[in-house]
Amino acid sequence: EAGVAQSPRYKIIEKRQSVAFWCNPISGHATLYWYQQILGQGPKLLIQFQNNGVVDDSQLPKDRFSAERLKGVDSTLKIQPAKLEDSAVYLCASSLDLGTGYEQYFGPGTRLTVT
Amino acid sequence: QQQVKQSPQSLIVQKGGISIINCAYENTAFDYFPWYQQFPGKGPALLIAIRPDVSEKKEGRFTISFNKSAKQFSLHIMDSQPGDSATYFCAASLTGGGNKLTFGTGTQLKVEL
Repeated sequence: EAGVAQSPRYKIIEKRQSVAFWCNPISGHATLYWYQQILGQGPKLLIQFQNNGVVDDSQLPKDRFSAERLKGVDSTLKIQPAKLEDSAVYLCASSLDLGTGYEQYFGPGTRLTVT
Repeated sequence: QQQVKQSPQSLIVQKGGISIINCAYENTAFDYFPWYQQFPGKGPALLIAIRPDVSEKKEGRFTISFNKSAKQFSLHIMDSQPGDSATYFCAASLTGGGNKLTFGTGTQLKVEL
């Protein structure tokens, strides 16, 4: 069974530029999560999707961050414009459905550096 | 009230020793407590988990101890090996809250020969 795929693995941009991250969850997983992991901290949930609908985006900085999962499979997270404090690893995770959200499978993450 | 506090921040253990990582939570409604293991350059991976209706769960060299009254739980790694060197995160989730995970701040474990 293929795991959660993410790309790119690394990205360096200047502040005020835009960036996009892509995630393909495990096949058949209805629930998809995006996390932000700042160095030395635990992952922080940004947004949770169930199929193509948003379940929770309460911690997503909506003035600069956006995410979509149009066909209920893969997802894109965008930052525009980026700030220095956005430097972090962005993790994507998936679970079979909302009821099994306590068992999440994580991708390798995208390390973003904003200079 | 959603916070999960984890200690220590870092831990060095000799090969064959016991590694102990502690977590405390505030929200008594949490009903699932997993531990995740993260190697450099990889995403976290589920290691072991417990529900509050049991006080201990063991899987191989890994044991979770759970103290509901104290709102604390801990991970014990017996016979620690250099391959166990990683960052460990405790987490908690709430069934009524969509099973979203709230993570601790992580413990960087190094097992020395």
